[in-house]
Amino acid sequence: DAGITQSPRHKVTETGTPVTLRCHQTENHRYMYWYRQDPGHGLRLIHYSYGVKDTDKGEVSDGYSVSRSKTEDFLLTLESATSSQTSVYFCAISTGARGYTFGSGTRLTVV
Amino acid sequence: GENVEQHPSTLSVQEGDSAVIKCTYSDSASNYFPWYKQELGKRPQLIIDIRSNVGEKKDQRIAVTLNKTAKHFSLHITETQPEDSAVYFCAASVDQGAQKLVFGQGTRLTINP
Repeated sequence: DAGITQSPRHKVTETGTPVTLRCHQTENHRYMYWYRQDPGHGLRLIHYSYGVKDTDKGEVSDGYSVSRSKTEDFLLTLESATSSQTSVYFCAISTGARGYTFGSGTRLTVV
Repeated sequence: GENVEQHPSTLSVQEGDSAVIKCTYSDSASNYFPWYKQELGKRPQLIIDIRSNVGEKKDQRIAVTLNKTAKHFSLHITETQPEDSAVYFCAASVDQGAQKLVFGQGTRLTINP
């Protein structure tokens, strides 16, 4: 749907373990984003990418890293997961005049 | 950086009535203001957006107004229907380059039959 997919859709992990979430697009868009969604906070930007190997921090980047080795893939890594990183994670692409298109989201639970 | 405040956090209206959601922003450089609708368990989807060279934009039953001087913009939904029940988010950004959207906290709109 809309050329953007996220995996996995759900994940439960233990505190202290590394976790990688994947975002894949099929439309060759330059800009990709990772947001987290928490009640009362809306969507907050974690990291974004403006091209292959070009990334920058967002508002809530502590504890997260990203990589983009190919135009179509944008990976979000939690190096050592904490309970405060329990959230719903959305990837998005910027489609110009059509604004953002979001992926279906990943529900991550850190226990 | 940009800060977007959204009110109210919850809104309940009778079917057929109008609903208004308001947002304020802090960065005068922002010039792109989209609204997203998120149904339960689904992804946010763009419903309407406005750029700072216009003051109002309509699309059937929804409209957005922008007051750049006061740094606020609003979403208006007329003749509300049950399918309008959802969470609505406003956002703001500079409309160039990476277009990093800053979102409001969201409004849960409930349409009562």
